[in-house]
Amino acid sequence: DTAVSQTPKYLVTQMGNDKSIKCEQNLGHDTMYWYKQDSKKFLKIMFSYNNKELIINETVPNRFSPKSPDKAHLNLHINSLELGDSAVYFCASSQDVSGSTDTQYFGPGTRLTVL
Amino acid sequence: SQQGEEDPQALSIQEGENATMNCSYKTSINNLQWYRQNSGRGLVHLILIRSNEREKHSGRLRVTLDTSKKSSSLLITASRAADTASYFCATYTYNTDKLIFGTGTRLQVFP
Repeated sequence: DTAVSQTPKYLVTQMGNDKSIKCEQNLGHDTMYWYKQDSKKFLKIMFSYNNKELIINETVPNRFSPKSPDKAHLNLHINSLELGDSAVYFCASSQDVSGSTDTQYFGPGTRLTVL
Repeated sequence: SQQGEEDPQALSIQEGENATMNCSYKTSINNLQWYRQNSGRGLVHLILIRSNEREKHSGRLRVTLDTSKKSSSLLITASRAADTASYFCATYTYNTDKLIFGTGTRLQVFP
């Protein structure tokens, strides 16, 4: 059984389009995250949600809007896509609010290519 | 700014050899975690070491933490081809309440 799943795995789109990436976890965790991994493999947190509430919002353009319909889902909607948005986006979850003692479980990633 | 810097950036060894990766960070932390990422996959948690711990073991993995030098090392003993992956350290501090990942070390183990 997949613990953290993301769809789609690959996403190729034109500049200016709006797209969404979906994430679901079946671990019963309270906290979910979105990370962006650039071409140099640098991984940076974008958002975290705990029980559907926004906890961390890094300095991400407001074209990126996370939505958490319930604590098992955290979707990422991106408006007006730009070339620089091309990256691999990872969803993750953890039991606790913070990384203080908890393992984060990562999804397989969504490779977004903006043409 | 980026918290962790890993060294080396890339490492190639033969099966059976040991692999050592180092991570340095800039500010005080509460814990440090190591993750593995296989090509085209998500990250997998390997081990967590708290700031009051100096060494931790898990199977063939040995992690050390030196808070005075703000550095950690991950040792993989008797490496296998299946250990080929990128390895990331990630630091956690209560005041930022988030994991900050290092730049990663790409390990290649040749059979």
